[in-house]
Amino acid sequence: AQSVTQLGSHVSVSEGALVLLRCNYSSSVPPYLFWYVQYPNQGLQLLLKYTSAATLVKGINGFEAEFKKSETSFHLTKPSAHMSDAAEYFCAVSDRNAGNMLTFGGGTRLMVKP
Amino acid sequence: NAGVMQNPRHLVRRRGQEARLRCSPMKGHSHVYWYRQLPEEGLKFMVYLQKENIIDESGMPKERFSAEFPKEGPSILRIQQVVRGDSAAYFCASSPPTFTGELFFGEGSRLTVL
Repeated sequence: AQSVTQLGSHVSVSEGALVLLRCNYSSSVPPYLFWYVQYPNQGLQLLLKYTSAATLVKGINGFEAEFKKSETSFHLTKPSAHMSDAAEYFCAVSDRNAGNMLTFGGGTRLMVKP
Repeated sequence: NAGVMQNPRHLVRRRGQEARLRCSPMKGHSHVYWYRQLPEEGLKFMVYLQKENIIDESGMPKERFSAEFPKEGPSILRIQQVVRGDSAAYFCASSPPTFTGELFFGEGSRLTVL
């Protein structure tokens, strides 16, 4: 069985500050890992994905995430927050045994202060 | 627009009525997934379907909920005798038949039960 834990349901940063959203996973097989972003009243948009290639993955809007097997983590970072980054962020895991089905974490709401 | 299409975007029902939510997958995608997002919570998997086949319904409530994906037409998530606790955003996602580890999401259907 797979699971995802996102530490911190709410994260607040100042504009221009580092963004760090934490994600830890549990999977019995090598995982595929994802970060999705959800803006208010919209669907989910893929930010980036890890599929067993490079451990440092770059995504859209300046975000990146690093897969650390020893820590079972896939934390999302961005060097400098922008007001437009304010949204809900979801970490998710999937594996071949479950088709393309994703298991999501509880989400982290990112707030950016001017 | 070749994305995942969901309708209606917003649906209001009174307790005891039926709700039908529709999802047309992306072109070339034969797999559909339904997720539910309760207020202030993450996405919970409900059901995974292929054309004319339910692959995994482990996340579906045992009563009142059903899903189908007919040979022709959209996938439908049906909720009978709705209760206030069914108020949520219901997201549909699709994927191609081969494993890619990625889902493509619609913008969701927001059900409000009065």
